[in-house]
Amino acid sequence: QKEVEQDPGPLSVPEGAIVSLNCTYSNSAFQYFMWYRQYSRKGPELLMYTYSSGNKEDGRFTAQVDKSSKYISLFIRDSQPSDSATYLCATGGGTSYGKLTFGQGTILTVHP
Amino acid sequence: DAGVTQSPTHLIKTRGQHVTLRCSPISGHKSVSWYQQVLGQGPQFIFQYYEKEERGRGNFPDRFSARQFPNYSSELNVNALLLGDSALYLCASSLEWGQETQYFGPGTRLLVL
Repeated sequence: QKEVEQDPGPLSVPEGAIVSLNCTYSNSAFQYFMWYRQYSRKGPELLMYTYSSGNKEDGRFTAQVDKSSKYISLFIRDSQPSDSATYLCATGGGTSYGKLTFGQGTILTVHP
Repeated sequence: DAGVTQSPTHLIKTRGQHVTLRCSPISGHKSVSWYQQVLGQGPQFIFQYYEKEERGRGNFPDRFSARQFPNYSSELNVNALLLGDSALYLCASSLEWGQETQYFGPGTRLLVL
């Protein structure tokens, strides 16, 4: 079993839709949770960073962490074609000090 | 300010050869990590360096090695290349060791024939 599981998709939505991206993880020691966006043939770009359980909002993006169920979510409101990319969830902390463990990535396409 | 820079951007090698990839972290960042991203997968942790010392190593064979220089830049070396080493090699920098807020460079795309 992988430490971080993410549905690879692909996910295709119309412009303006609300997008929900999800990951589960197995190591209860993880304390830090991140979402990265990766455009084709580029490096990952840090989108959201959350410590422990709770919600964090940044513009059209909301990250949620539920440590009791080991579930991580990213919501994108009013999705735009420019949001088309691969979204990677990542975890860290605990015994994995300084090391990020990534999910497989979800490919998202937003159609105009 | 410049972000993380990596060189070269692309590289083609044959099996058995050796390769050196280079990374310059964000100015002021002291820690550098290396990740391997195979097509269709998320990045996998290879190494983390801080203050020129290895602070973490992932599940990669000894053919992979790295070092960090006094100016905090870093090199990743891979010996005896295999076809399976073909991947995007990503460098990430963070302010200090153990910080999970890591910023990635554009990567070096390595193709082994």
